[in-house]
Amino acid sequence: SQQGEEDPQALSIQEGENATMNCSYKTSINNLQWYRQNSGRGLVHLILIRSNEREKHSGRLRVTLDTSKKSSSLLITASRAADTASYFCATLGTSYGKLTFGQGTILTVHP
Amino acid sequence: DAGVIQSPRHEVTEMGQEVTLRCKPISGHDYLFWYRQTMMRGLELLIYFNNNVPIDDSGMPEDRFSAKMPNASFSTLKIQPSEPRDSAVYFCASSSLRDRHEKLFFGSGTQLSVL
Repeated sequence: SQQGEEDPQALSIQEGENATMNCSYKTSINNLQWYRQNSGRGLVHLILIRSNEREKHSGRLRVTLDTSKKSSSLLITASRAADTASYFCATLGTSYGKLTFGQGTILTVHP
Repeated sequence: DAGVIQSPRHEVTEMGQEVTLRCKPISGHDYLFWYRQTMMRGLELLIYFNNNVPIDDSGMPEDRFSAKMPNASFSTLKIQPSEPRDSAVYFCASSSLRDRHEKLFFGSGTQLSVL
């Protein structure tokens, strides 16, 4: 079953704008991760935030985690056409090594 | 590092035929996962292995599905007999103790079409 629910399902923006994607989950987690999937390719790990962290940065990526609301957000700043992809949140619960993925947000960045 | 290697990239078969998907994890990774991706159900975990031993196969949809990992560098996912509803992209992923098994490395997937 899907743990994470993502919002919006699709997002269309212009190059240079910021993109924000949200993820909600249902059960306790050890960490939450974000992955990117380009069309026809496998998923690529972007960033991980642990349950005791509130915010993390990596380059143009900023992720926040609110465990009280069981939600996370991924912000991509100054987006580029190359950021066009699907973005998935994934949660690691109590089962060691077992990630559960959300349905994903399709991001389109127009040049 | 070649990454996770899956074969074939595309498979088209007829209903009732046996299908075998193959995966070579990254060398040194001791966890291997099989996922299935469809538009309707998203990414579903089918089964995962630790040190070649199946740990959790609760996601395997039916007895028609089976997976093996005979050694640390090879795994197969077999569907016999295949049905049109098995059409999906099947991903293999691996993880390593070096990354605390927190980060998955995915292959490029096998696009399966069952006619």
